[in-house]
Amino acid sequence: ETGVTQTPRHLVMGMTNKKSLKCEQHLGHNAMYWYKQSAKKPLELMFVYSLEERVENNSVPSRFSPECPNSSHLFLHLHTLQPEDSALYLCASSQTLAGGPRTGELFFGEGSRLTVL
Amino acid sequence: GENVEQHPSTLSVQEGDSAVIKCTYSDSASNYFPWYKQELGKGPQLIIDIRSNVGEKKDQRIAVTLNKTAKHFSLHITETQPEDSAVYFCAAALQTGANNLFFGTGTRLTVIP
Repeated sequence: ETGVTQTPRHLVMGMTNKKSLKCEQHLGHNAMYWYKQSAKKPLELMFVYSLEERVENNSVPSRFSPECPNSSHLFLHLHTLQPEDSALYLCASSQTLAGGPRTGELFFGEGSRLTVL
Repeated sequence: GENVEQHPSTLSVQEGDSAVIKCTYSDSASNYFPWYKQELGKGPQLIIDIRSNVGEKKDQRIAVTLNKTAKHFSLHITETQPEDSAVYFCAAALQTGANNLFFGTGTRLTVIP
């Protein structure tokens, strides 16, 4: 148990569907992140939020839309995805944007496995 | 930007043997090098990290070494156990910021009982 909970764990959607991924952290952290994990590729940072404000968007297509209503919750809204978007989406948090006591430490959730048909 | 290469992509060892995973980075300004372990069905978890002012760091059966001149760092696991089986990721950061981490492609370690 890392203190970061993601739902759903598995999601199958068609290209025209709209769905959302949810992340909640119980660690009192101020920064939250979305990462995409694809086979044989490095973890890809998608979005970074600090104190509910987006601080980074790494050229992610607009079909991915993040939302951070408060420092404990993070959503990733999905719309008109492509099959190549199928991947494991990982949420993470850190104490501050600059990391926690072990500076830079990210605490990851277990991920949401997305399959786009 | 920073580019982190990791080798090997898969590694199998007998229980009790040692395992070594190597990473290289491209940006000499990188100064923070964490290692994450991802077990099946879990998210990555930090297991050890090293900063550029240190050449080696140990924590029980795991150790990390850093060669700044050659721009490479390695993870060493001794006396491997089946529970060490997982995917290991190295990363490099240009500054000590969690939003500046560049990850390697991962190494799947299998420890054979």
